[in-house]
Amino acid sequence: DVKVTQSSRYLVKRTGEKVFLECVQDMDHENMFWYRQDPGLGLRLIYFSYDVKMKEKGDIPEGYSVSREKKERFSLILESASTNQTSMYLCASRGGGSGSGNEQFFGPGTRLTVL
Amino acid sequence: QKEVEQDPGPLSVPEGAIVSLNCTYSNSAFQYFMWYRQYSRKGPELLMYTYSSGNKEDGRFTAQVDKSSKYISLFIRDSQPSDSATYLCAMRNTGNQFYFGTGTSLTVIP
Repeated sequence: DVKVTQSSRYLVKRTGEKVFLECVQDMDHENMFWYRQDPGLGLRLIYFSYDVKMKEKGDIPEGYSVSREKKERFSLILESASTNQTSMYLCASRGGGSGSGNEQFFGPGTRLTVL
Repeated sequence: QKEVEQDPGPLSVPEGAIVSLNCTYSNSAFQYFMWYRQYSRKGPELLMYTYSSGNKEDGRFTAQVDKSSKYISLFIRDSQPSDSATYLCAMRNTGNQFYFGTGTSLTVIP
């Protein structure tokens, strides 16, 4: 079974702090993703990475950056946390190839509250 | 217009009922269709995936895709209280861009 783990389940930070969210997958997947999930808005893609040191902006990259130094690890960084970044953050991974069954597997999520 | 539309519910049914969850989409290039189940305060878990049109069955769950109508469905037979969750549809073409519905909240009452 694919296992995607996230460093924290719950996190409380103050406005202006730099925040690191870590994600690790154990299936040697090429692709990794960061989403945020908000009521009524669904899942919105922040960034994804298709290879080590490679990244692509998603739909809402403003205020975020990412780092992928190793294949199994994908970090999301909030440079200066703001209250509107309070959300559930979900990491996902996916193998290479376009065929059916090659879908995204999600971690348990990090519920971030910015005060 | 959103790429994927999903009725948010909430949907409440008695145990044993047949549940029908649906999504519509606008992009005819979508070829791969998925359903995820998300329990409260957890990440989504992949429930079913299908390619192109047709049906796929797995136990009490049946996924149906009608590409001509741009409509996908998930049917749950003999629903159980443990099926209470939010169900997300998702779809993609051949690449890494996934499009998700906003989710339908389902409660199965014992």
